[in-house]
Amino acid sequence: GAGVSQSPRYKVAKRGQDVALRCDPISGHVSLFWYQQALGQGPEFLTYFQNEAQLDKSGLPSDRFFAERPEGSVSTLKIQRTQQEDSAVYLCASSLAAGPYSNQPQHFGDGTRLSIL
Amino acid sequence: KNEVEQSPQNLTAQEGEFITINCSYSVGISALHWLQQHPGGGIVSLFMLSSGKKKHGRLIATINIQEKHSSLHITASHPRDSAVYICAAKKGYSGGSNYKLTFGKGTLLTVNP
Repeated sequence: GAGVSQSPRYKVAKRGQDVALRCDPISGHVSLFWYQQALGQGPEFLTYFQNEAQLDKSGLPSDRFFAERPEGSVSTLKIQRTQQEDSAVYLCASSLAAGPYSNQPQHFGDGTRLSIL
Repeated sequence: KNEVEQSPQNLTAQEGEFITINCSYSVGISALHWLQQHPGGGIVSLFMLSSGKKKHGRLIATINIQEKHSSLHITASHPRDSAVYICAAKKGYSGGSNYKLTFGKGTLLTVNP
């Protein structure tokens, strides 16, 4: 099926390494979201794109976190100089919504489980 | 206090039992989502509702806007229903950042055969 696809599913990195997490949204979906989910917690908002524009990055924990969606489709979340507290599941979601007044549901990927050693 | 609170945090039931999971929120919302997350991370959207009640198979979701409360019910529970159930609130139109979802911490449901 043509759901939201995230890769890799699992990533193990040593502290200090850079990592890149990929999200392929559902084709035609305008809105794309990244969330961080710590163990035993609910997801927390990181950033939001409408097409290629990053409209909100208020949830990014530090300037080590960077997200892009250059062509308004695939998105990459990059974490530089990883630290142990970055260990979490990173979830991507997309929706057809094209504005704040649209109540389209978000469709989630399976997430990338990141472990920093 | 979190903007979205769920209870209980953990729930164990016997197959066939009626299950209720509760969600309370403190912000004005335009919609409330119920999500299911299986081990391994994948999240499936079960319901999105802004008023009243929705039903899908053995699942029923209700919301009371005045009381800022929603419930997810599972009738005739089955071991395959075992998962984490998460409610998420989408803020109302006047609240700013109304594309964001604010999530509860989830309820871990275990249904034993």
